[in-house]
Amino acid sequence: IAGITQAPTSQILAAGRRMTLRCTQDMRHNAMYWYRQDLGLGLRLIHYSNTAGTTGKGEVPDGYSVSRANTDDFPLTLASAVPSQTSVYFCASSEGLAGGYEQFFGPGTRLTVL
Amino acid sequence: AQKITQTQPGMFVQEKEAVTLDCTYDTSDQSYGLFWYKQPSSGEMIFLIYQGSYDEQNATEGRYSLNFQKARKSANLVISASQLGDSAMYFCASNTGGFKTIFGAGTRLFVKA
Repeated sequence: IAGITQAPTSQILAAGRRMTLRCTQDMRHNAMYWYRQDLGLGLRLIHYSNTAGTTGKGEVPDGYSVSRANTDDFPLTLASAVPSQTSVYFCASSEGLAGGYEQFFGPGTRLTVL
Repeated sequence: AQKITQTQPGMFVQEKEAVTLDCTYDTSDQSYGLFWYKQPSSGEMIFLIYQGSYDEQNATEGRYSLNFQKARKSANLVISASQLGDSAMYFCASNTGGFKTIFGAGTRLFVKA
């Protein structure tokens, strides 16, 4: 593994189903993030974690939950998917939360909710 | 609240010429960071360049430079000697020292041969 991996690459999901998007990093970064990317809106932060065991809400957290059991993994769960959650989801990490740290991104997961 | 504005949805540039992608930001914080990311058609997000609000010199990274005008709250990306591989979506982003990085809507750059 090099950098950040995400799984699955893409998924088509029926509305109402539960789905977990996986994210793993091997850089031992403290901070991890989940974004969604929608056309014309750029990237919007869903949830973040500044260290294992702690998480926080971003700009658009409703309908999503996260956990951070260890440094490397940061899964995003949609408890009951809705069509408005159709998007491309990016996981990212950085050494810290402060403004000077660049973020490293995973390849993304394209999710379609029907 | 932070806000990033990228007013150019799409830009065309001739290969080997320079191009400027505009970005203005809105923050009341004194300490903040500004970033540019590139997203090729393959979809991954690639970090290009960073400018801190207290940095007096404009940041440069190879063919990329950031034209930082603090009073005007602008952080334009300049790409010199454009290459076909520069065709991509470009995002400006800002962070005021916490967890929240705000991204602009992006500018799609097309490099013509």
